Amino acid sequence: SQTIHQWPATLVQPVGSPLSLECTVEGTSNPNLYWYRQAAGRGLQLLFYSVGIGQISSEVPQNLSASRPQDRQFILSSKKLLLSDSGFYLCAWGPKGPQETQYFGPGTRLLVL
Amino acid sequence: DQQVKQNSPSLSVQEGRISILNCDYTNSMFDYFLWYKKYPAEGPTFLISISSIKDKNEDGRFTVFLNKSAKHLSLHIVPSQPGDSAVYFCAASKHGNKLVFGAGTILRVKS
Repeated sequence: SQTIHQWPATLVQPVGSPLSLECTVEGTSNPNLYWYRQAAGRGLQLLFYSVGIGQISSEVPQNLSASRPQDRQFILSSKKLLLSDSGFYLCAWGPKGPQETQYFGPGTRLLVL
Repeated sequence: DQQVKQNSPSLSVQEGRISILNCDYTNSMFDYFLWYKKYPAEGPTFLISISSIKDKNEDGRFTVFLNKSAKHLSLHIVPSQPGDSAVYFCAASKHGNKLVFGAGTILRVKS
């Protein structure tokens, strides 16, 4: 069966510091991968998605970037965090196909102070 | 432009009764619809989906109904249980990937 991992679970970082969140998927190959953010009391906002190694599409202009160095690894980064980057970050994977169900990881809560 | 809307921010239901969560969409090209359940500080869990070629799909206590002419879908939970208390998101996609999510509805099931 497939599993998706995210770490760390919680992170408190000062403004201006760098960020690296990691997501890995097991039990599948060549998945579509996604990064979402959920701000407090809000819905899920798609940040980045990837259909393959090195292929990243950005949905919204922002202070963040993503990379996919391996087939089942997806990384969310920032060089300098802003207060507005605080939120709950979710990684998801989906099997390629015309009607794709996405499966989410446990999430990372980021607080920027 | 909010293509998927959940107009009820919250819903309160008595244990054992039916919970009905609603979702409206504007893009007639959407062909796949999903419902997710989310507890605080956890990732959303996939519940049930429906293709645009169907108007109903059942899985245990959960049934999703799709009304394409009204661009409306609903999730019925029968009977509702206290453990169903969570945030429910509907989502839609066209021709694969890039799900568009609604803002969510908080369901509270009272015992």
